[in-house]
Amino acid sequence: DAGVTQSPTHLIKTRGQQVTLRCSPKSGHDTVSWYQQALGQGPQFIFQYYEEEERQRGNFPDRFSGHQFPNYSSELNVNALLLGDSALYLCASSLENGGRLGAFFGQGTRLTVV
Amino acid sequence: AQKVTQAQTEISVVEKEDVTLDCVYETRDTTYYLFWYKQPPSGELVFLIRRNSFDEQNEISGRYSWNFQKSTSSFNFTITASQVVDSAVYFCALSESYYGGSQGNLIFGKGTKLSVKP
Repeated sequence: DAGVTQSPTHLIKTRGQQVTLRCSPKSGHDTVSWYQQALGQGPQFIFQYYEEEERQRGNFPDRFSGHQFPNYSSELNVNALLLGDSALYLCASSLENGGRLGAFFGQGTRLTVV
Repeated sequence: AQKVTQAQTEISVVEKEDVTLDCVYETRDTTYYLFWYKQPPSGELVFLIRRNSFDEQNEISGRYSWNFQKSTSSFNFTITASQVVDSAVYFCALSESYYGGSQGNLIFGKGTKLSVKP
């Protein structure tokens, strides 16, 4: 059973460019969340998607947007990249009624903005 | 406001020592969830445990144990007889109840880096 998969694993972009990160949730999971983790910090919540709708959002500007597809996979888009957007971006999937299980995370996409 | 504090930034122990990682949380909700995650150098966050606010029973899983005390808003994690493979960054996280019971977004602490030396 494949876990959460993210692509690409590493990415280098220039300031001002746009980037799209992709996530395939764990099989059977219907909820996808995105987190940004700066070096030496804990992950920060960006937003969560369920039934193809954004239903929760953290304190991130509108430059950060996302999408969830009918197969539950998801994309994170960041426009007008800033140097401060350099971070590890983590995707997490979970079940709406997951019982005692927590969210499962992918290995992340390391984004470097130069 | 919700907040998770992991006061220990780094801990270094010798193999076979016991080690406790501290976690203190703040929330105004009566229903919430607490988590521990492990992040090895590969970067992937590995789920260790989830506990809801109504279940204060301590839990043991192999060498891992968790002590949840609502009176002190703490959810501490103990590794018994530590091993080199336990070396990682450990995160404590908090989530409110949301949408009738599913967890909301996770609020993470800053993590504790554990180094276990042979």
